[in-house]
Amino acid sequence: DVKVTQSSRYLVKRTGEKVFLECVQDMDHENMFWYRQDPGLGLRLIYFSYDVKMKEKGDIPEGYSVSREKKERFSLILESASTNQTSMYLCASSDTGTSGYEQYFGPGTRLTVT
Amino acid sequence: DQQVKQNSPSLSVQEGRISILNCDYTNSMFDYFLWYKKYPAEGPTFLISISSIKDKNEDGRFTVFLNKSAKHLSLHIVPSQPGDSAVYFCAAGTNRDDKIIFGKGTRLHILP
Repeated sequence: DVKVTQSSRYLVKRTGEKVFLECVQDMDHENMFWYRQDPGLGLRLIYFSYDVKMKEKGDIPEGYSVSREKKERFSLILESASTNQTSMYLCASSDTGTSGYEQYFGPGTRLTVT
Repeated sequence: DQQVKQNSPSLSVQEGRISILNCDYTNSMFDYFLWYKKYPAEGPTFLISISSIKDKNEDGRFTVFLNKSAKHLSLHIVPSQPGDSAVYFCAAGTNRDDKIIFGKGTRLHILP
């Protein structure tokens, strides 16, 4: 069974703080993704990585950066948190296209920036 | 520009009846489509997928229909059960990369 874990379920941070969200997957997947989910907006892709040290911007990368130093771990960094980054953050992983396109999601981190 | 559209934000269906969730897309280059289900405070879970070369795929109570000419797909749940109450996301992707594009979701309420 694929398992994707996220470091925190709930997080409260102050405006201007640097925030790290960690994601770990145990299925040796090449691809890892960070999304945010907001009411009425669905899931929007922030960044994704298709290999260690490789990253690509998604649809809404502004205000975020990522790090993938090991295959199983993908970190999302909010350099200076702002209130409009209050959201549910979801990490996902998947194998390469030839093995299927299904993405496996973690439980999410509900981040509140005050 | 939304490439994957779910035009109904919510849907209520009586328990035991059929639930039909709809999804439209604009990109004719999509090679596959997926449906995900999401409960509050949990990550989405994969339900069912369909390749663009097929027009139907079935898995238990869940069937996905694809109409390429209309750029439309639908998810049928028969019979609907209380545990089906959740948000359902339609998603699509191409063989060029492993990204998928999600719709905004439809909240399904199964009424007792």
